[in-house]
Amino acid sequence: KAGVTQTPRYLIKTRGQQVTLSCSPISGHRSVSWYQQTPGQGLQFLFEYFSETQRNKGNFPGRFSGRQFSNSRSEMNVSTLELGDSALYLCASSFYRGQDGYTFGSGTRLTVV
Amino acid sequence: SQQGEEDPQALSIQEGENATMNCSYKTSINNLQWYRQNSGRGLVHLILIRSNEREKHSGRLRVTLDTSKKSSSLLITASRAADTASYFCATDFNDYKLSFGAGTTVTVRA
Repeated sequence: KAGVTQTPRYLIKTRGQQVTLSCSPISGHRSVSWYQQTPGQGLQFLFEYFSETQRNKGNFPGRFSGRQFSNSRSEMNVSTLELGDSALYLCASSFYRGQDGYTFGSGTRLTVV
Repeated sequence: SQQGEEDPQALSIQEGENATMNCSYKTSINNLQWYRQNSGRGLVHLILIRSNEREKHSGRLRVTLDTSKKSSSLLITASRAADTASYFCATDFNDYKLSFGAGTTVTVRA
């Protein structure tokens, strides 16, 4: 059974650029959540999607956005990148909104220079 | 903050010893989950314990939950070098998202 696939694994971008990260959940999982991990702030919740609808959003600026497609795959976008956006971005999938726990992907490490 | 707080921040033990880490939180939860992370990779789900449960086991892992004290503990028995990792507790406050603690870094010495 394939796990949660995140692409790309590593990304280097310049301040002011935008970036799109992709997440393919486990087959049959309909919920996708995104988390940001930094040394200073730890793990912080970004968004949650279920059935193509954003159900929850964390305390992040509007530069952070996302979406979920009909096949449950999800993308997140960060526009006008800032140095502070450098982080490990983790995608987590679950059958129904994490009620039985989440399966995380290996993450996308974004470096903004 | 609703985030769980873990204690200790770091733990160093000899192979074969037990490791215990604790997590405290501030408001009522739906469930509490423990995750492991190796060297900045993805998180691995270990155990989920619901608010009406007091103890759960999975292999060498034992998790307890005391809702009256708003605390949980994770015990790893007979530790191995492969258990070296960061361990996080994460709480679901009935809002379908996880609030993570800062984590406990466990080092198992051979």
